[in-house]
Amino acid sequence: GNSVTQMEGPVTLSEEAFLTINCTYTATGYPSLFWYVQYPGEGLQLLLKATKADDKGSNKGFEATYRKETTSFHLEKGSVQVSDSAVYFCALSNTDKLIFGTGTRLQVFP
Amino acid sequence: EAGVAQSPRYKIIEKRQSVAFWCNPISGHATLYWYQQILGQGPKLLIQFQNNGVVDDSQLPKDRFSAERLKGVDSTLKIQPAKLEDSAVYLCASSLDRPRWGLNTEAFFGQGTRLTVV
Repeated sequence: GNSVTQMEGPVTLSEEAFLTINCTYTATGYPSLFWYVQYPGEGLQLLLKATKADDKGSNKGFEATYRKETTSFHLEKGSVQVSDSAVYFCALSNTDKLIFGTGTRLQVFP
Repeated sequence: EAGVAQSPRYKIIEKRQSVAFWCNPISGHATLYWYQQILGQGPKLLIQFQNNGVVDDSQLPKDRFSAERLKGVDSTLKIQPAKLEDSAVYLCASSLDRPRWGLNTEAFFGQGTRLTVV
């Protein structure tokens, strides 16, 4: 079946540190891949997406590359800010279902 | 453009009581989703509508949960009777169309309703 596995959190970083949140997936066919972010007290927001192998999604300084050979879609940011503190969800869409990982909490301290 | 609206934001009920949540999707969005997000877990799809028809309700506990989307616009999700394990955030989302294989359709989420069953 289709599934998404994320690294467990929380991830705790100092401001301006480099961020990586790992995400791997299992799917049949060629899913689209997403990162959603949930800021405190808010709903889920799409952060970035990639629809085919080797695509790179990017937004707000975050990037993730669709790697079919390693079935991964790791989220990276070169320099995190306190305002990036949130829960990040990796997700895939295959046929007509959107399936989420368990989420990774990021805490950034000044 | 107005986003997905949900109400109420918070609800506390006793076990065995009933509760209903309401969702108004983005205007023109044909697909509507209800997700359950238990604390510390990722959202789990409960039911997906395409217009006013059900596309997928395979993970909806039908003995206690029901949902409808009359006229293909607003939707309500009901729990009757509630159990302690139903405590969660219930998220509504909508997308312009039903995602098709090889393509993707962005889903927009509401702020959710936090349900506490005591």
